[in-house]
Amino acid sequence: SQELEQSPQSLIVQEGKNLTINCTSSKTLYGLYWYKQKYGEGLIFLMMLQKGGEEKSHEKITAKLDEKKQQSSLHITASQPSHAGIYLCGAAGLYNNAGNMLTFGGGTRLMVKP
Amino acid sequence: DTAVSQTPKYLVTQMGNDKSIKCEQNLGHDTMYWYKQDSKKFLKIMFSYNNKELIINETVPNRFSPKSPDKAHLNLHINSLELGDSAVYFCASSHPQDPGRETQYFGPGTRLLVL
Repeated sequence: SQELEQSPQSLIVQEGKNLTINCTSSKTLYGLYWYKQKYGEGLIFLMMLQKGGEEKSHEKITAKLDEKKQQSSLHITASQPSHAGIYLCGAAGLYNNAGNMLTFGGGTRLMVKP
Repeated sequence: DTAVSQTPKYLVTQMGNDKSIKCEQNLGHDTMYWYKQDSKKFLKIMFSYNNKELIINETVPNRFSPKSPDKAHLNLHINSLELGDSAVYFCASSHPQDPGRETQYFGPGTRLLVL
């Protein structure tokens, strides 16, 4: 069973609109990572969250980790076509308690219409 | 400069063949990983390896074996390829810290197609 659930699975937004992607874990997280994958390419590290209530921003992307460290959200403000891709959340420590092996959610496919 | 590189980028082969995918990182990291991304884009850990320990995802068939000639390289050998092995394989590396504190850097992926 998948231990990290992402929602929505896919998202199409108009350029300039805001959007939010959610990632929920069945267990408390040691750390939560957000990656972006451009179609047909590798994964690009976005942000890592560790502490309950933590929030980080990079350009127009903000990620938060809730106080219980079981849910994270990724928010994009004023989306642009360059934001299109697959967003993956990854969690450390879920697989057999092996802390450095990441378990990933199913991904959210984002399309931004110009 | 490429931090984590993989070769080949594309690999098309016949069922039953044995193949290898190479991974190299120039980040000085101690730990390397192999992940498999299936056709539904679901990304799953296969192995975690440093010079002390190999951790294997028990769902990975023993036809798959990681081999590390040195700290900067972790190659993936696959024996008797099957149709279901078709996927994108990603290598990653990190400098180990406490769980949840380290960032993994991914290679560009190797797209394997088994015919």
